Amino acid sequence: SAVISQKPSRDICQRGTSLTIQCQVDSQVTMMFWYRQQPGQSLTLIATANQGSEATYESGFVIDKFPISRPNLTFSTLTVSNMSPEDSSIYLCSVRTRNAYEQYFGPGTRLTVT
Amino acid sequence: GQQVMQIPQYQHVQEGEDFTTYCNSSTTLSNIQWYKQRPGGHPVFLIQLVKSGEVKKQKRLTFQFGEAKKNSSLHITATQTTDVGTYFCGGSGNTGKLIFGQGTTLQVKP
Repeated sequence: SAVISQKPSRDICQRGTSLTIQCQVDSQVTMMFWYRQQPGQSLTLIATANQGSEATYESGFVIDKFPISRPNLTFSTLTVSNMSPEDSSIYLCSVRTRNAYEQYFGPGTRLTVT
Repeated sequence: GQQVMQIPQYQHVQEGEDFTTYCNSSTTLSNIQWYKQRPGGHPVFLIQLVKSGEVKKQKRLTFQFGEAKKNSSLHITATQTTDVGTYFCGGSGNTGKLIFGQGTTLQVKP
């Protein structure tokens, strides 16, 4: 299993600003993902965070808006840039450990943009 | 691209009644996973199905994977208030990425 922490747990931000969310895992993991979940909605995959290289983004998500870093096997950041109220959501970090198929989710970061 | 549909969106049952949620993919899946998210919580892995026609049980929960590996179901027998939450299926194709359905939110009336 993997224990995931995310910081911050919640934030209220002003339109036009940026927020960086951190994801820390207690063990080395093979894959790290970033999801967005709007209240009462499903989990939408934003991107796969690749260690030492550019993230792989899903359709509808671009690097300029959601830059992602993954400097090592246990840490990743997601930045939500130039925020608008439409970016208000819960952002979840998820990981898959070596030789396993299940994904573990962090507690999420609840972002409100005013 | 791959799409995963899940029905129903909501289900209210009386405690003791059964509950079923269905998941359908637009493409053939390598595997399907089920997760449960309690209110205010994060998704927690329940099970993975890999083989065509596979059936797995966890106590009162029964999971099935269709013969064509494009659909799946989760059935809960004799629901309890602890079963409350949203159940998500996640389908994985050749890329290994999980694409989630919309989820089914279960409410159980005591």
